[in-house]
Amino acid sequence: EDKVVQSPLSLVVHEGDTVTLNCSYEVTNFRSLLWYKQEKKAPTFLFMLTSSGIEKKSGRLSSILDKKELFSILNITATQTGDSAVYLCAGVTNAGGTSYGKLTFGQGTILTVHP
Amino acid sequence: EAQVTQNPRYLITVTGKKLTVTCSQNMNHEYMSWYRQDPGLGLRQIYYSMNVEVTDKGDVPEGYKVSRKEKRNFPLILESPSPNQTSLYFCASIKVGDADTQYFGPGTRLTVL
Repeated sequence: EDKVVQSPLSLVVHEGDTVTLNCSYEVTNFRSLLWYKQEKKAPTFLFMLTSSGIEKKSGRLSSILDKKELFSILNITATQTGDSAVYLCAGVTNAGGTSYGKLTFGQGTILTVHP
Repeated sequence: EAQVTQNPRYLITVTGKKLTVTCSQNMNHEYMSWYRQDPGLGLRQIYYSMNVEVTDKGDVPEGYKVSRKEKRNFPLILESPSPNQTSLYFCASIKVGDADTQYFGPGTRLTVL
């Protein structure tokens, strides 16, 4: 059975701090690892990672994948109160060809950023 | 505007009364999926569809049915809803090969009494 585990489950920091969120996965026929941010609505896409060691970056957020050790991290530097959200990661299986298969989500990390 | 729409957004029903939650996307995406989200359990995939007439089970398919007769629509059917299906449901679509264009619908909050 595929499994994705995130840690920590919750994190409280102050504005300006740097945080690292962890995602470990056991996914059969692994295709990619996805990161999302969820506020009080539907998740919004952050990153897709398919190759080890290649950092994806968007503003203060960055993410990297280690396919040997089966984990990914999401870094947020200089946190702001607007970064407060649940951060989700998901492992994607390859259904053959170029098609996506099953997605397995972790339980999420609740990040709270205080002013 | 590119979007995934779900209807209804909120639904309160009773045990055993069949219901359908519709999902439609206007982006010509091949892949569509249904998730349920419950406190402490995160998002769990119910069913997914790789293209028209191609569907497969996710992690929690019991009690649900889906069909994909057209590319844009992917309805979720609860033949005999039970209280343990009370949840927040999301539909999503992905353009195959380009995860940058995955979109989630706004969610449907379902309560089964």
